[in-house]
Amino acid sequence: GENVEQHPSTLSVQEGDSAVIKCTYSDSASNYFPWYKQELGKGPQLIIDIRSNVGEKKDQRIAVTLNKTAKHFSLHITETQPEDSAVYFCAASMGQGAQKLVFGQGTRLTINP
Amino acid sequence: DAGVIQSPRHEVTEMGQEVTLRCKPISGHNSLFWYRQTMMRGLELLIYFNNNVPIDDSGMPEDRFSAKMPNASFSTLKIQPSEPRDSAVYFCASSFGQISGNTIYFGEGSWLTVV
Repeated sequence: GENVEQHPSTLSVQEGDSAVIKCTYSDSASNYFPWYKQELGKGPQLIIDIRSNVGEKKDQRIAVTLNKTAKHFSLHITETQPEDSAVYFCAASMGQGAQKLVFGQGTRLTINP
Repeated sequence: DAGVIQSPRHEVTEMGQEVTLRCKPISGHNSLFWYRQTMMRGLELLIYFNNNVPIDDSGMPEDRFSAKMPNASFSTLKIQPSEPRDSAVYFCASSFGQISGNTIYFGEGSWLTVV
C-alpha cells in the first residue's frame, strides 16, 4: 500500500542541540521526498526536499538524507532555536506516475530554551 | 504573488447541512490537491486534479464528498450531508507541472466544525 511512517511523534530538545526525524516509505517507485513545517493555525510550508538521484542535501541548519535501498529518509536540524518549534511532516511521492504526496503522521518538535 | 486562497477560513455548521469549501490555486499552477487533516489520521489526500481533470479520487471518504474544478483558477469541495466526523481542517494545495520537480504550496486551510 501507499504508506509513510514517521518517528518520533513528539520530540523535545534543548535549544542549541540537534533534532533528527526519521521516515520510511513503502513504494520503491517514490522519487521525491519533501519536508514541511506547520505552525499553529497555518498550512504546511516546504522547508527542504530531496530527489531520488541525490543522497543528501543541506540548507543552512537543515539537512535531509535519503537511503533509497532501505527506503528511508531523515531530517536533521542543527543548532535548534525556539522558532524551530512546530509540527514537521515528511512526505513521499506515490501513485500513478508518482504524482501525489503521501504524508507521514507528523512530529511535534519542541525546543526548550 | 498571492498564495493558494481558501474560503471560508472557519465554518461551523449543523449536521445534515451542505458545506462547500472553495479554493483558488496559485496562478499558472496546473495541479490542485485537496487534503484533510485530523489528529487521528494526519494529512490525507482526498483528490487531486491535473489540468482541471480529476486524476485520483481514491481518498474521497464516501459519496457525501464531491469535488469539482470547473476552470484553472477555481475548485470546490462539497460535503452533503455533513456529519460530525467530517470536522477537520481541509487544505487545498497547488503545484506547477510534475510534483517530483516542483513544490506543492498549501493554503491556510478551512477549519470545519460540524455539530
